[in-house]
Amino acid sequence: DTAVSQTPKYLVTQMGNDKSIKCEQNLGHDTMYWYKQDSKKFLKIMFSYNNKELIINETVPNRFSPKSPDKAHLNLHINSLELGDSAVYFCASSPRGLGYNEQFFGPGTRLTVL
Amino acid sequence: AQKITQTQPGMFVQEKEAVTLDCTYDTSDQSYGLFWYKQPSSGEMIFLIYQGSYDEQNATEGRYSLNFQKARKSANLVISASQLGDSAMYFCAMSREDSNYQLIWGAGTKLIIKP
Repeated sequence: DTAVSQTPKYLVTQMGNDKSIKCEQNLGHDTMYWYKQDSKKFLKIMFSYNNKELIINETVPNRFSPKSPDKAHLNLHINSLELGDSAVYFCASSPRGLGYNEQFFGPGTRLTVL
Repeated sequence: AQKITQTQPGMFVQEKEAVTLDCTYDTSDQSYGLFWYKQPSSGEMIFLIYQGSYDEQNATEGRYSLNFQKARKSANLVISASQLGDSAMYFCAMSREDSNYQLIWGAGTKLIIKP
């Protein structure tokens, strides 16, 4: 069984379009995250939700909006895509709410903006 | 500012040898957590090992061990008896209570195991 799943795995789109990436975890975890990994492999936290509440919102453009319909889902919607948004986006989850918990990552979504 | 430094951008190691991947961190906190993750070429992020700042013993998980030297603020990952499948990017990360336990990541080390 897949623990943290993301769809789609690959996303190729034109500048200016709006797209969404979906994330689901079946681990019963309380906290979910979105990360962006750039071409140099640097990982940057974007958002974190704990029990559907936003707890971390790093400096990302307003064009990025997370949505958590329930504890098991955290979707990422991106408006007006730009070339610089091309990256791999990872969803992750961790158990037991806030704390020094390992994070379980999804397979990543490779977004290419043309 | 809190920071994680991985000074080795890349390493080549002969199969079956042990390898140490360096990680130093900068924090004034007394309580924090340290993590290592592996990212193979397939792209997924795999949790390897965790060390709490108050843990007295170094963490071990199979062939992985964490050489935690608190006074030096280092948390090096040691892989014993390396295998070809260990070739991957390795990331060190730190979690702090003051930042809602979010992970601060190092830049990673690319490890290549030679047959």
